[in-house]
Amino acid sequence: DGGITQSPKYLFRKEGQNVTLSCEQNLNHDAMYWYRQDPGQGLRLIYYSQIVNDFQKGDIAEGYSVSREKKESFPLTVTSAQKNPTAFYLCASTRDFSSYEQYFGPGTRLTVT
Amino acid sequence: EDKVVQSPLSLVVHEGDTVTLNCSYEVTNFRSLLWYKQEKKAPTFLFMLTSSGIEKKSGRLSSILDKKELFSILNITATQTGDSAIYLCAVDSYQGAQKLVFGQGTRLTINP
Repeated sequence: DGGITQSPKYLFRKEGQNVTLSCEQNLNHDAMYWYRQDPGQGLRLIYYSQIVNDFQKGDIAEGYSVSREKKESFPLTVTSAQKNPTAFYLCASTRDFSSYEQYFGPGTRLTVT
Repeated sequence: EDKVVQSPLSLVVHEGDTVTLNCSYEVTNFRSLLWYKQEKKAPTFLFMLTSSGIEKKSGRLSSILDKKELFSILNITATQTGDSAIYLCAVDSYQGAQKLVFGQGTRLTINP
């Protein structure tokens, strides 16, 4: 079955540590996205990538970094510079950068204490 | 600044009722408006609207867009407990690539 996988489902880290969230898709989609969702709020765009080896900052990129070395993979690193990292993180993809519908992964809930 | 506002933020109704969820927006380079349903984790796609006045329907759900007044509504008739979810509205503010701006979501609870 084609889809987007995110791992792990739940992640706990101590303050000051960097942590990397995984996002893999086997849909052969060109474009991939990372969002953050906080309670009572909609999704906010962190980073997006239209093609391999290229990515752009979204609305709340500070304290995050990404890479896109392979078409299937778009990992997100939450660095110690991110002031409020505890949140639900969603990865999404579209066929190409002009497509309409985004397909979402199941998400990773990150808790930093 | 691009902005999408949903109302109400929370709604509790009884099974069988009809509900209307609202989404208003102010974005540059509007391309489309999308509705998603989020039950526990991943949002799932419901509708995409690009043209004003054309209703999209899927079973008991329907949606329409008014590009002049910059809003959309999502209607659910004969609600069921399985309709309980967060409903997200997003607008594609196309800037060389799809860039979705999401509203806060409406948390809908259907009581039996």
